[in-house]
Amino acid sequence: AIQMTQSPSSLSASVGDRVTITCRASQGIRNELGWYQQRPGKAPKLLIYGASTLHNGVPSRFSGSGSDTDFTLTISGLQTEDFATYYCLHDYDYPRTFGQGTKVEVK
Amino acid sequence: EEQLVESGGDLVRPGGSLTLSCTASGFSFSSYWMTWVRQAPGKGLEWVANVHGDGTVKRYLDSVKGRFTISRDNAKKSLYLQMNSLGAEDTAIYYCARDLDIKMGEIFYDVFDLWGQGTVVTVSS
Repeated sequence: AIQMTQSPSSLSASVGDRVTITCRASQGIRNELGWYQQRPGKAPKLLIYGASTLHNGVPSRFSGSGSDTDFTLTISGLQTEDFATYYCLHDYDYPRTFGQGTKVEVK
Repeated sequence: EEQLVESGGDLVRPGGSLTLSCTASGFSFSSYWMTWVRQAPGKGLEWVANVHGDGTVKRYLDSVKGRFTISRDNAKKSLYLQMNSLGAEDTAIYYCARDLDIKMGEIFYDVFDLWGQGTVVTVSS
């Protein structure tokens, strides 16, 4: 199975900050990667697919980049509602595997 | 409104069985693959299984293969996860999700674009 490694596992930031989360795949996955946001006690929500395409309704402060094995999620201008845990997920083959998550906390 | 609602979570003894349900509304259920994802307490997300819209193709995480069975009843707009030989490692919130294929160029991207609220399974004696 493809392993997805996210870093950092947590970070502290302030409203307005630019935040970057990375995800590395154990083998090449082209750009078949999505990012999901999970707020405490809630179900995950799709943010980005195809490594860089924003899902409908997702604010433009979210952006994604990367291909092959290295991917990045950037939040430009962190808002209060963005304090959450973020997961990458590959859809290259089966089993689908998520990264271990990155918790974005208030500094 | 498009919605998924899970049910069936419970406290079950090790070695026991349980069947989870997920009822869909507001969209053409039979047109979509459907997926189960779980989250152990305080842990990350784990893909468990999915099933094609017509129910003929099913895929499983290795650790649940032979113990869990995913199925669907399109007439009832319902997805199921039958879980047998449960162990403590199966304790989790179980989410159902709609599995959407998006074609861009020559590649189909598989995304989970609609999620239920989750149902809690606790395996303990």
